[in-house]
Amino acid sequence: GAVVSQHPSWVICKSGTSVKIECRSLDFQATTMFWYRQFPKQSLMLMATSNEGSKATYEQGVEKDKFLINHASLTLSTLTVTSAHPEDSSFYICSAGGGANTEAFFGQGTRLTVV
Amino acid sequence: AQSVTQLGSHVSVSEGALVLLRCNYSSSVPPYLFWYVQYPNQGLQLLLKYTSAATLVKGINGFEAEFKKSETSFHLTKPSAHMSDAAEYFCAVSESRDDKIIFGKGTRLHILP
Repeated sequence: GAVVSQHPSWVICKSGTSVKIECRSLDFQATTMFWYRQFPKQSLMLMATSNEGSKATYEQGVEKDKFLINHASLTLSTLTVTSAHPEDSSFYICSAGGGANTEAFFGQGTRLTVV
Repeated sequence: AQSVTQLGSHVSVSEGALVLLRCNYSSSVPPYLFWYVQYPNQGLQLLLKYTSAATLVKGINGFEAEFKKSETSFHLTKPSAHMSDAAEYFCAVSESRDDKIIFGKGTRLHILP
C-alpha cells in the first residue's frame, strides 16, 4: 500500500528554538495532508489541513503562527513548531489520502520533546 | 460537525474471549467510519472502513464492525482475542465533503493470559 513517511521520528530541542517536521507521500500525490497531535494516552487531535499551493486550514484553538504549515509540493508537507516550549512536547502525526474510495495513510509519528 | 464517542477508555478480555469495543458517532451527513489500531510510539494502522456499502465490514486480523444507523453505532468485534491484539484502538469518522478524520478518545485493549 501507499506509504507516508515522517521525519524525524523523534527530536529533542531547547525551549525557544524551532523544529521542522516533514511528511512525505512516497508513492502517491497528495493535494491534502493532515496534521494531528497526540498527548500521552490520549486521542489524536486534528490540528490543521495542509493544502498544496495554498494556506493551511487550522482547527479552532490551534495557533497558526506557532504551528507553521507549508505544502509546497504534491508529496511534501512540513510542520514547523516555532519558539517551542515544554508544553509543545507531544507526538505529532501526519496523514494523507482518505475519503470514500481511498485509504488514509498515516506517518509513523514524530515524538517532540522540548527541554 | 461530526464526532465520535468511544465507551470505555480501557477494556480487558481474556485470551480467546470475545472482543467488543464500542463506538457511537454523530454526523450531519452519511458518514464514513473507521477503526484504527495504534501500537506504542507508532502511527496508525487501518483495521477496517465503512463507506456506505455493506453494513458488516470485515477487516484485518479477524476484526469486523457493523454499521447500525438506527443506533448510530459502529462497534468493533473479534471472536477470539490474541495477546498480539493488545493495543490502542481508535474509532474515527469522516464526512464525504472533505477528507478530515475525527478520532474518538481511544480504547486501550488489554489481553489477559
